Amino acid sequence: KAGVTQTPRYLIKTRGQQVTLSCSPISGHRSVSWYQQTPGQGLQFLFEYFSETQRNKGNFPGRFSGRQFSNSRSEMNVSTLELGDSALYLCASSLSVLETQYFGPGTRLLVL
Amino acid sequence: TQLLEQSPQFLSIQEGENLTVYCNSSSVFSSLQWYRQEPGEGPVLLVTVVTGGEVKKLKRLTFQFGDARKDSSLHITAAQPGDTGLYLCAGADRGSTLGRLYFGRGTQLTVWP
Repeated sequence: KAGVTQTPRYLIKTRGQQVTLSCSPISGHRSVSWYQQTPGQGLQFLFEYFSETQRNKGNFPGRFSGRQFSNSRSEMNVSTLELGDSALYLCASSLSVLETQYFGPGTRLLVL
Repeated sequence: TQLLEQSPQFLSIQEGENLTVYCNSSSVFSSLQWYRQEPGEGPVLLVTVVTGGEVKKLKRLTFQFGDARKDSSLHITAAQPGDTGLYLCAGADRGSTLGRLYFGRGTQLTVWP
């Protein structure tokens, strides 16, 4: 069974731009969570989607948003990029909300 | 708020040595997961522990969940260079933050040949 895939793997943007990251969960998994990982803060929870509904949201500004499609694929969007948004963005999928989460390889975002 | 404290933050040992990594919290978790992450990659699940007092073994790795489900430990016997990586513990609860994992900052392990 294929694992969680994330595209693109690497991205370079400039301040003020916006970016969209994509995540395809493991087949059959309906829950998708997003995390931001930085050396200073570690892994920080962004949001979680189940059956196209956002069920949980972390403490990030409104510039960070996401959505989930009917096929469980998910996207997250960051608008008006700031230098501090440079990070590894990780997507994780699970069968349902309480099940173990499996992570994708991440998207490395660099904001210049 | 950092709910899970991992220690030590860094560990540098010789091949063949034993080590223990700790993950502590004042909160109760319904389950706790351990992941290992290599540079530029996502965390890879090692184990999930659910029951207080549970012990799970994965070859040379032994995981224990505290009786009160607030803490956990990872013990590696006879460490090998292939064990090098960032070890992360993550807790999940059944409360209002259903579906969210709370991560520790991680323990960076380096095993020298």
